[in-house]
Amino acid sequence: EAAVTQSPRNKVTVTGGNVTLSCRQTNSHNYMYWYRQDTGHGLRLIHYSYGAGNLQIGDVPDGYKATRTTQEDFFLLLELASPSQTSLYFCASSDVLETLYFGSGTRLTVL
Amino acid sequence: GDSVTQTEGLVTLTEGLPVMLNCTYQTIYSNPFLFWYVHYLNESPRLLLKSSTDNKRTEHQGFHATLHKSSSSFHLQKSSAQLSDSALYYCALSALLSGSFNKLTFGAGTRLAVCP
Repeated sequence: EAAVTQSPRNKVTVTGGNVTLSCRQTNSHNYMYWYRQDTGHGLRLIHYSYGAGNLQIGDVPDGYKATRTTQEDFFLLLELASPSQTSLYFCASSDVLETLYFGSGTRLTVL
Repeated sequence: GDSVTQTEGLVTLTEGLPVMLNCTYQTIYSNPFLFWYVHYLNESPRLLLKSSTDNKRTEHQGFHATLHKSSSSFHLQKSSAQLSDSALYYCALSALLSGSFNKLTFGAGTRLAVCP
């Protein structure tokens, strides 16, 4: 089974702070995604990538940057964190239209 | 763009009663792929079942769903709810376009709470 590892598990920062969320997958999947999960909104796609160096904009990209440094590693960057970005963040990986494998999530709190 | 509607935010059931979680979708593409993902508390979301074949029942772990393109629906059903079915359920949609990927669109989710 695919393994997707996220770090950190929990993160607290202040408004205006700089945050990097990390994701690594070890199943050689081409596609990686960052989602945020909020009650009443479900899973919303922030950014995704087809492979190293590729970046695609998702549905709720404002305030987020992402970078795919290798096939395995995908990072989500919040350069000026705001309270509206308090959420549970999931990374996932997949092949084309196959099963998405999710990480265990990062709970981010912006004070 | 594509959209997925799950009309119930919360469904509360007594153990042993049947489960039906609604999912309808909108897409301009004629070849949609529909998915149900389940998210148990303190775990990662994971695939429950998927289908791209019109009017064919798909089953997994006691749950089943049938894609009906005529009504743009992919409702999730189970004959008898168990306490362990309590979780957040997401319906999701995608389409394969000339071999290239179309991103997955999730519904808002339905929380199923099964009571003794």
